[in-house]
Order: sequence, then structure tokens, then C-alpha cells
Amino acid sequence: DTAVSQTPKYLVTQMGNDKSIKCEQNLGHDTMYWYKQDSKKFLKIMFSYNNKELIINETVPNRFSPKSPDKAHLNLHINSLELGDSAVYFCASSQQGASYEQYFGPGTRLTVT
Amino acid sequence: GESVGLHLPTLSVQEGDNSIINCAYSNSASDYFIWYKQESGKGPQFIIDIRSNMDKRQGQRVTVLLNKTVKHLSLQIAATQPGDSAVYFCAESHTGNQFYFGTGTSLTVIP
Repeated sequence: DTAVSQTPKYLVTQMGNDKSIKCEQNLGHDTMYWYKQDSKKFLKIMFSYNNKELIINETVPNRFSPKSPDKAHLNLHINSLELGDSAVYFCASSQQGASYEQYFGPGTRLTVT
Repeated sequence: GESVGLHLPTLSVQEGDNSIINCAYSNSASDYFIWYKQESGKGPQFIIDIRSNMDKRQGQRVTVLLNKTVKHLSLQIAATQPGDSAVYFCAESHTGNQFYFGTGTSLTVIP
């Protein structure tokens, strides 16, 4: 069973469109994250949710809106897509406790044309 | 923001040799560090972690060294294998909620 899954794996869309990426974890973790990885492989945290509540919101345009319907899901909606949004987006989850190890999903490659 | 950097963006090693990947961090308040491995087309995968109250931790074929004086972290991989070829990231945190990742080092193992 996949621990952290994301859909879709690839997303190609035009500038100005609105799109969503879904994430689900079956690990029973209480914290979920969204990261953006650019073409130089730099990984930057965007959001973090703990028990469905937003706890981290890095400097991200408000075109990006995360939604956590329950502890196991954290979706990312992006409005008015721009060329600079092209990247690989990773969802991750962790359980707060002795170890903060994060389990990452396989990533969603977003290409904005 | 935080600044986590790697000294070498690429590293090539011969199969069977030991690999050392370095990482510098800037926040002296960071108390928890993780090394991740990212294979092509996949998400990062946990390798090993270390807390700031330790200066060395060993896993299976991997060792992490932490030097808080100079804010430096290293990952040593013993007897490097072709399957070790990947991009390696260090990440730091002082809250456990928020991690800052380095730019990554691409390790290539030459058979």
C-alpha cells in the first residue's frame, strides 16, 4: 500500500487556469505538508497542517490555497497559474513525537505553458 | 529565513569507495537534522537523523556527523553502491514542524 499518494502525477496546463493536486496518507500521521521543488532541485516548504489546522504558511502567493478536509488529506488548489509555478510539488506527512521523519509522496510535476 | 547549503553540488565516487556529503547550516538554534535521499522521479526518502545533543549517529552503511561549533553536518556512506546514486539533501529544524532543506548534492557511483 502506498503510504503517501498524490494525484495527478503529471499536470500540464495553460497560464491563467485553476488546478488542484490531491494528497492522501494512510499512515495515521497528524501533520501534512506541501513542498515545491524547482528545476534546480531546491525543496521549499509551502504549507504545513496539523490535525487539519494550518500551522505553517511560508511566503506563498495567495493564489495557492491548501485544504485539509480531514487528517488524512491535504489538497492544494492553485488559481490563475503562472509560468513560474512550473515545478514538482511534493506532499509529505509526519507524526509529531520522538522523530520528525517526513514521508514524501511521489510528487506531481506541474508544467504551465 | 534559514540557509542550508551544501559544499558540493555533484560528487562522483567509484563503487566500493566511501562517500562524504557535506552540509552547512546557518541557524544555531536548529536542534534536529535529517538526511534524505531522492532518486530520480521519486520523492525524498529518509536516511538518518540526528539531534543536536549528539555529534555522531550510525545507521546501516551510513554515518551522520554533526559539528555544532561550525554548524556543519556530513553524511558518510560506506562501500558506496550503484543504488546509492541519487540526490542527497540535508534538512534542519528547531521546532520539528518546519524543515529547511539544502540545495542537494548529486551523487554518482561509477561501477
